[in-house]
This record gives sequence, structure tokens and C-alpha cells, in this order.
Amino acid sequence: GNSVTQMEGPVTLSEEAFLTINCTYTATGYPSLFWYVQYPGEGLQLLLKATKADDKGSNKGFEATYRKETTSFHLEKGSVQVSDSAVYFCALTDTNAGKSTFGDGTTLTVKP
Amino acid sequence: GAVVSQHPSWVICKSGTSVKIECRSLDFQATTMFWYRQFPKQSLMLMATSNEGSKATYEQGVEKDKFLINHASLTLSTLTVTSAHPEDSSFYICSSSHSLAGVYNEQFFGPGTRLTVL
Repeated sequence: GNSVTQMEGPVTLSEEAFLTINCTYTATGYPSLFWYVQYPGEGLQLLLKATKADDKGSNKGFEATYRKETTSFHLEKGSVQVSDSAVYFCALTDTNAGKSTFGDGTTLTVKP
Repeated sequence: GAVVSQHPSWVICKSGTSVKIECRSLDFQATTMFWYRQFPKQSLMLMATSNEGSKATYEQGVEKDKFLINHASLTLSTLTVTSAHPEDSSFYICSSSHSLAGVYNEQFFGPGTRLTVL
């Protein structure tokens, strides 16, 4: 079956530091890949997505590139802010069945 | 993206009662809706896939008689937790999606419903 493995947290960074959260996946076929962000007590918000190999998703300074050869979709941001503190989930969607598989989530805390 | 709402946003009930959670796709016709459960500090676990006008497909280990799902229209799916017990306390999240030429892409998530069973 499909699976998503993401870097264990928690991750604590100082403001303006560089962020990388690793994500690798196992899937049959050609899934779409996503990063979601969840703030305390809230649902998931789509951060960025990529639907095919070599696509780069980007939003609010975050980026991730769909790497089929390494089955990875690592999340990066050049300079994090305190407001980026949240839980980040990597996910893939089986485009034939519509089902999504989520990683375990990585908690990011950014300190001023 | 599409807007998905859930009602209620939180609910507290007594053990043994049933609770209904609504998931509405406000500006989007969702042929498929998904129901997830999330325990504190954990990831989302898919409970069931709900297609409009047909019976839901439940994931292994999810009791279909306990978690009743109805998807009567393209904009509304409901999850009823029957005879709730404290172990059913959780954060329930729905999402909506549709397929274009048999291909699904993005899911749109609701804000979640916090259920606490006393």
C-alpha cells in the first residue's frame, strides 16, 4: 500500500533560520503530493502541492519539489517566522481512488 | 480552493448518546467525501470514503454500524457516531473531492469537529 514517511519532530528553530522537513513516499502509480499545515485546534490547510514529477509547489515562501527518482517531496523555507509555528503534514493522493495517505506530522516551533 | 464547512465545530455528549456531524461543500459539488479521525498529536486516519448516492466504503477496523455515514447529496455528508463512548472522543475531519475523467486530485478539508464523550 501507499505510505508517507516524514521527518520526526519536534523541530525548533530561531526566527529567520532555514527550514527543511524531509518527506519520502511509497506509492503505486503516479500520486499527487501535498503539504498541509495545521494550527492548534484547527483543520488542515493546503500549503502547497505538486501533481507530477519535477513540479515545484510553492506558497508563502515554502517550496517543495516532486522528485520521482528519490520518491521525495521535502519542504523548505529560507527564513521562518514565529507565525510559521504549526504542525506540517506531508501527504499523497492516489489520483485513481481519491484516497489520501498522510505522514505522521512534524511539529515546528519558531522562537523569536 | 473550495470551501468545506463542518457543524458543529465542537460537541460534548453523554456516553450512550448519538452525535451527528455534518460536512458541507459550500461552493463545490463533491462526488466523494472522506471522513478522518485524528487523535491528539497524531496524524489523520481515514475512516471511510463516501460517494454521493451510494454506501460508504469503510477502512479496515472501522465499525460501520458505529460510524454511520450518509452522503445524500453532492454538497452534504453526515457522520453519526452511535452510542458514543469516551474512547470515541476525537477530532473528526471531513474532506471533499471530485474526479475529473476518473482522476482525483486535490481534497478540500473542513475545519474539523471536536467530539468529547463524557
